[in-house]
Amino acid sequence: EPEVTQTPSHQVTQMGQEVILRCVPISNHLYFYWYRQILGQKVEFLVSFYNNEISEKSEIFDDQFSVERPDGSNFTLKIRSTKLEDSAMYFCASINSSYEQYFGPGTRLTVT
Amino acid sequence: RKEVEQDPGPFNVPEGATVAFNCTYSNSASQSFFWYRQDCRKEPKLLMSVYSSGNEDGRFTAQLNRASQYISLLIRDSKLSDSATYLCVVNYGQNFVFGPGTRLSVLP
Repeated sequence: EPEVTQTPSHQVTQMGQEVILRCVPISNHLYFYWYRQILGQKVEFLVSFYNNEISEKSEIFDDQFSVERPDGSNFTLKIRSTKLEDSAMYFCASINSSYEQYFGPGTRLTVT
Repeated sequence: RKEVEQDPGPFNVPEGATVAFNCTYSNSASQSFFWYRQDCRKEPKLLMSVYSSGNEDGRFTAQLNRASQYISLLIRDSKLSDSATYLCVVNYGQNFVFGPGTRLSVLP
């Protein structure tokens, strides 16, 4: 059964550093999403991506964030200058035609 | 405002019990509805989509009431392995809004 994969599983970085989180969505899905979940809180939508461009983004997704799909398989989330409050689990998801989401295992980002 | 609310929980029930989760949503333009389960420190996993006519999958039954903007999930004959957080998710266009989740602990 196809699945969404994410790397790394855990990333530790210093405040102010750039990080890139990577995802390989399910190949025949067309919509891709990034979410974050701060420990003990709910899953929060960051951004959706369709046809090689952002289709919708939340208030959280400010100028420090960017996404791209450079090679038709990888889907990346970049945080330019990390802050302490960026520490969270970041989940990638891809969507089938019935709007059912399939999540990757997540990347735990720790900003120190 | 796009909000999804759920029973605060946690629910602690004995094995074999029937447990019901409730969810309400604020945006009447919502299009699709789902229940996900999330184990501790893991990704959400799709449990079932929720259809207007209601749907059942084994021990799990989901209901949708569009007029009341209310979704429910019923788990019958609960198992230890059902222990998880249950997330109500509502779709608006290309946006998905997650409820805060209700934690279930099934006790031996």
